[in-house]
Amino acid sequence: DSGVTQTPKHLITATGQRVTLRCSPRSGDLSVYWYQQSLDQGLQFLIQYYNGEERAKGNILERFSAQQFPDLHSELNLSSLELGDSALYFCASSFGGAGELFFGEGSRLTVL
Amino acid sequence: AQTVTQSQPEMSVQEAETVTLSCTYDTSESDYYLFWYKQPPSRQMILVIRQEAYKQQNATENRFSVNFQKAAKSFSLKISDSQLGDAAMYFCAYRWGAQKLVFGQGTRLTINP
Repeated sequence: DSGVTQTPKHLITATGQRVTLRCSPRSGDLSVYWYQQSLDQGLQFLIQYYNGEERAKGNILERFSAQQFPDLHSELNLSSLELGDSALYFCASSFGGAGELFFGEGSRLTVL
Repeated sequence: AQTVTQSQPEMSVQEAETVTLSCTYDTSESDYYLFWYKQPPSRQMILVIRQEAYKQQNATENRFSVNFQKAAKSFSLKISDSQLGDAAMYFCAYRWGAQKLVFGQGTRLTINP
């Protein structure tokens, strides 16, 4: 158990819909990262937050947005969903310095 | 931009034998971290081993060890006495400072009984 909690674990929705994925980082971790993993692909970095502020952005679509709240949990909002958005979305956390990231179990999104 | 390359999309090994997974990376930084993560069929990302670039000694964790060649920007993972439970996707990853992890495309490892 990494200590990072993601909900929901599975989500099935239709094209055009909007979903919200939630992440609770490890206790004490200030940084949250979101990654997208499409089928049999590597992990693509979406966005990073540090203590409530956006720190870095990857190839995140304009239809996607995220935020980190004062209690340090984070939400990833995906809107106007397309079939190609079907993927495993990982949240990871770290205290803030160098070292490994700790990953949640992921949220599997299926868009029909 | 930092990049990580895993040139072996798939590897297979007989149970109890040794296998080496390759990884190269590109960076202009001198102090960074390198990692190997394992992703079994459950899809969870599990840290296998980490290496700090300032350390010359290669990291070892039980049956897992790395060959870190800083000048060559190479970071291979050796799995000794392969077990069926080692079957997974293995990702090499790079991190500089408090920035994101940059992943390679992965190597799918199959263990043959």
